[in-house]
Amino acid sequence: DAGVTQSPTHLIKTRGQQVTLRCSPKSGHDTVSWYQQALGQGPQFIFQYYEEEERQRGNFPDRFSGHQFPNYSSELNVNALLLGDSALYLCASIRQGALRTDTQYFGPGTRLTVL
Amino acid sequence: GDSVTQMEGPVTLSEEAFLTINCTYTATGYPSLFWYVQYPGEGLQLLLKATKADDKGSNKGFEATYRKETTSFHLEKGSVQVSDSAVYFCAHLYNFNKFYFGSGTKLNVKP
Repeated sequence: DAGVTQSPTHLIKTRGQQVTLRCSPKSGHDTVSWYQQALGQGPQFIFQYYEEEERQRGNFPDRFSGHQFPNYSSELNVNALLLGDSALYLCASIRQGALRTDTQYFGPGTRLTVL
Repeated sequence: GDSVTQMEGPVTLSEEAFLTINCTYTATGYPSLFWYVQYPGEGLQLLLKATKADDKGSNKGFEATYRKETTSFHLEKGSVQVSDSAVYFCAHLYNFNKFYFGSGTKLNVKP
């Protein structure tokens, strides 16, 4: 079982550009959440996808958008990048029916640097 | 609103010393509580969890007890090792869906 995988591992962009990060959930999981972890801080919830729809959203601007595909994988898109978007972006997955009994599994993250 | 507060680091200990990392939370209802560990350059790994008041989570010698009366979930280990050096995050799970994390506590263990 491959667990949660994310790509790419590292990414460097310049201000104003757009970026797409990808996440494949653990086998059997259908719900994907995205978190932003700035340097020296704890992760902050961006949003969650289930059944290809955004179900919950944290306090992030509309520049942050996402998508979930029929195979449950997910993308995080960030437009008009700012220096402050530099962070580790973490993906977590779980099976919706096991929300009360199981624990979300985190991927290794994508390190985004905005210059 | 919901939040998690944990002691600031870094915490520097000698090998075999006793570890305590304090964590308190503010939450609606009675959330599940977690400790995650992050090694350099890696993602988050679940260390332990507790789902209801007075539950004790334990793993790899680490323990934490869910204290509803003090809204706390302090992490303890009786004898730390160099390999325990990492950043530790306390978190609570809102509505079974969304994590609130503390800002992390870096632990350095010296031989």
